[in-house]
Amino acid sequence: GEDVEQSLFLSVREGDSSVINCTYTDSSSTYLYWYKQEPGAGLQLLTYIFSNMDMKQDQRLTVLLNKKDKHLSLRIADTQTGDSAIYFCAESRMDSSYKLIFGSGTRLLVRP
Amino acid sequence: DGGITQSPKYLFRKEGQNVTLSCEQNLNHDAMYWYRQDPGQGLRLIYYSQIVNDFQKGDIAEGYSVSREKKESFPLTVTSAQKNPTAFYLCASSVSGTGGVGGTYEQYFGPGTRLTVT
Repeated sequence: GEDVEQSLFLSVREGDSSVINCTYTDSSSTYLYWYKQEPGAGLQLLTYIFSNMDMKQDQRLTVLLNKKDKHLSLRIADTQTGDSAIYFCAESRMDSSYKLIFGSGTRLLVRP
Repeated sequence: DGGITQSPKYLFRKEGQNVTLSCEQNLNHDAMYWYRQDPGQGLRLIYYSQIVNDFQKGDIAEGYSVSREKKESFPLTVTSAQKNPTAFYLCASSVSGTGGVGGTYEQYFGPGTRLTVT
């Protein structure tokens, strides 16, 4: 199947860590991506991970990939109010490299 | 500054009219894409182009048309045949539609155009 699934909503307190989860179905995924979308704006690429990696860290962002379970997560440390946005995970596949399959997005709300 | 521009940011049209959305990039990317985003949903691919003078249909191409006469430009026309045209339209580009040798496939997005048809 083509599904990339995410939970719809996450609320955290400022300063806490946020963990946004994503599951995908296709084992031929090559790269997996996290994008951030602020209201009324385009998508901003945050980070990506190659499918043979388990983890990638980039400042406050940590991506974990469990290929066996087809589970991807994005951890944001010390979450700030400016992190409030919708976060999309996306995958690209070996058989259709041009195409990114997007999840429906997780809305992150950071409470002061 | 390199980037992708889309214009206009907001567009209003009456039902039955065709409308063209602009997308320009100065990133020297070969591949360009058009997506549609509806509230509470992910992005759906309308059309993509891996090289100048070539383009392919995505998942929801019906009622849309594109052209790719220049590397920098990939305009999208929403025709009167599109039954539900009101949406947020996003243009993206990538270095290559095939990722290249050892390359990735990350796509970079423009700011979007919100089209309202009444």
